[in-house]
Amino acid sequence: NAGVTQTPKFQVLKTGQSMTLQCAQDMNHEYMSWYRQDPGMGLRLIHYSVGAGITDQGEVPNGYNVSRSTTEDFPLRLLSAAPSQTSVYFCASRSGTGFSGNTIYFGEGSWLTVV
Amino acid sequence: DQQVKQNSPSLSVQEGRISILNCDYTNSMFDYFLWYKKYPAEGPTFLISISSIKDKNEDGRFTVFLNKSAKHLSLHIVPSQPGDSAVYFCAAFHGSSNTGKLIFGQGTTLQVKP
Repeated sequence: NAGVTQTPKFQVLKTGQSMTLQCAQDMNHEYMSWYRQDPGMGLRLIHYSVGAGITDQGEVPNGYNVSRSTTEDFPLRLLSAAPSQTSVYFCASRSGTGFSGNTIYFGEGSWLTVV
Repeated sequence: DQQVKQNSPSLSVQEGRISILNCDYTNSMFDYFLWYKKYPAEGPTFLISISSIKDKNEDGRFTVFLNKSAKHLSLHIVPSQPGDSAVYFCAAFHGSSNTGKLIFGQGTTLQVKP
């Protein structure tokens, strides 16, 4: 998982609290994305960005906010946490929208529990 | 609407035998397919991919087969090793789309018994 750093690795939130999951990559990748992994659901795309200043929604965007002010960083914000957002979150980056599968890098994951 | 489906949540095979993991998709616009491997507490790592212009791609012990007419792909691992025990995700991509979105299946947990 070289090059994509996620923080924090573990977090417990109370319902209604807000927090930001940080994601940074040092590979100058244009494309970054956030996924959540839930049992039996696989990896579902939350939001993605094709470059600095450009973001768009994925499959499950509700309850999450993103911004891309720099190429390196792509934070994911939970404005008012809900128990349904208990999940493992993965940030990913790749060099462009054109495709070469082995240039996709995932972070190590952030385990979030909302009580 | 699950566009990429892995209908087998788990698979158990004996060491040395073949493991076959299956994946189905519904979107005919997908033209690039990938398999990822995931160990507990780690992020997914790329394993092998195939373009829709091919029907087979090999990389060592791993082979991916694509049947476009059936919208089906499979990953064969021969011979299976205990270190292959992990969750395997298939993923699909629409190459001509400018969104670059990668859609994943639910995953199949492979257990290789010594």
